[in-house]
Amino acid sequence: DAGVIQSPRHEVTEMGQEVTLRCKPISGHDYLFWYRQTMMRGLELLIYFNNNVPIDDSGMPEDRFSAKMPNASFSTLKIQPSEPRDSAVYFCASRMGTTVVGELFFGEGSRLTVL
Amino acid sequence: AQTVTQSQPEMSVQEAETVTLSCTYDTSESNYYLFWYKQPPSRQMILVIRQEAYKQQNATENRFSVNFQKAAKSFSLKISDSQLGDTAMYFCAFMKHELTGGGNKLTFGTGTQLKVEL
Repeated sequence: DAGVIQSPRHEVTEMGQEVTLRCKPISGHDYLFWYRQTMMRGLELLIYFNNNVPIDDSGMPEDRFSAKMPNASFSTLKIQPSEPRDSAVYFCASRMGTTVVGELFFGEGSRLTVL
Repeated sequence: AQTVTQSQPEMSVQEAETVTLSCTYDTSESNYYLFWYKQPPSRQMILVIRQEAYKQQNATENRFSVNFQKAAKSFSLKISDSQLGDTAMYFCAFMKHELTGGGNKLTFGTGTQLKVEL
């Protein structure tokens, strides 16, 4: 079975550019999460969806960040405009609501470098 | 707000030996879950073990076991018979019980990099 698929795996961009990160959750999972990992702050939850609806976006750092989930099999995290401090690894994770509480299935992450 | 602290940034262990990773947390909740996640070099996080706070018995999954001390708010991970494939970053995580609004929000510690050596 395919796991959570993220793209791109690596992205290098210049400050001010728009960045779009993509995620395909595991089929049948009804929760989708976006996390950010940095050395300074560790893993932070940015936003999560349930049945394509954003439930909690309190972790989204500022208005430059937006996330969408137009259907059950696709989500995007967009940063516009990007800044050097946005450099991090962004993880997407999914789970099925009926499975073990707290067991998230993570993708391999998208490493973003903003110059 | 909950906090999770892992005070050991790095650890190493010889193959086949036993190692214990420490984790402490702070919460005012009485019902919650604790987890250990593993992040190998491939970066993909994997759940290792899970503990429900209301259960006094420590969780065990094959070579992995925990020492859960609720009063001390301590949750350590013991890896027995360490293998080279155990080399990874290990994260301790906390989640409030869903009935008290925990939903799906995991709070992670900063991680412990474990290296298993020959």
